[in-house]
Amino acid sequence: DAGVTQSPTHLIKTRGQHVTLRCSPISGHKSVSWYQQVLGQGPQFIFQYYEKEERGRGNFPDRFSARQFPNYSSELNVNALLLGDSALYLCASSRDGGNTEAFFGQGTRLTVV
Amino acid sequence: EDQVTQSPEALRLQEGESSSLNCSYTVSGLRGLFWYRQDPGKGPEFLFTLYSAGEEKEKERLKATLTKKESFLHITAPKPEDSATYLCAVQAAGTGNQFYFGTGTSLTVIP
Repeated sequence: DAGVTQSPTHLIKTRGQHVTLRCSPISGHKSVSWYQQVLGQGPQFIFQYYEKEERGRGNFPDRFSARQFPNYSSELNVNALLLGDSALYLCASSRDGGNTEAFFGQGTRLTVV
Repeated sequence: EDQVTQSPEALRLQEGESSSLNCSYTVSGLRGLFWYRQDPGKGPEFLFTLYSAGEEKEKERLKATLTKKESFLHITAPKPEDSATYLCAVQAAGTGNQFYFGTGTSLTVIP
């Protein structure tokens, strides 16, 4: 069975640019969450979506936005990139978004120069 | 404020030398505690979920336990392939379904 897939795996952008990251959840899973992981730290929650609706938002600026599509895949958008946005962006898939285990993709490594 | 603290930050073990990793948490209403393993540059790999104090889960050389204030990940007779960062995360009541992660314990097992 295919796990959580994220694209692209690596990305280099310039300050001020916009980026779109994509995630396909495990088949049958309806919830997708996004996390940012800075080197040496644990993942920090950005968004959760369930059945195409936003269910949670972490403490990130409005430059960060996301959406979930009818096939449950998801996009994370970041505008006006800053150097501090450089991180590993992780997508997590769960069956119903409740207190069940979440399965992570391999991440997208974003470098802002 | 909800907090998750993992200790030690780093741990070096000889192959076969058993030890434990600690995850202490201060949340209002624990809904679940999760252990993950993360290899460098990769996404976290799910290991265990624990829901209530006294619960235990085992998988190969790993055993996770939970009390009302902390969780332990016991590693018995570790092998070099167990080297990784081990992350603990909690879900708390009233905070939606987000995971609060600790900063992890970096484990190195020396042959």
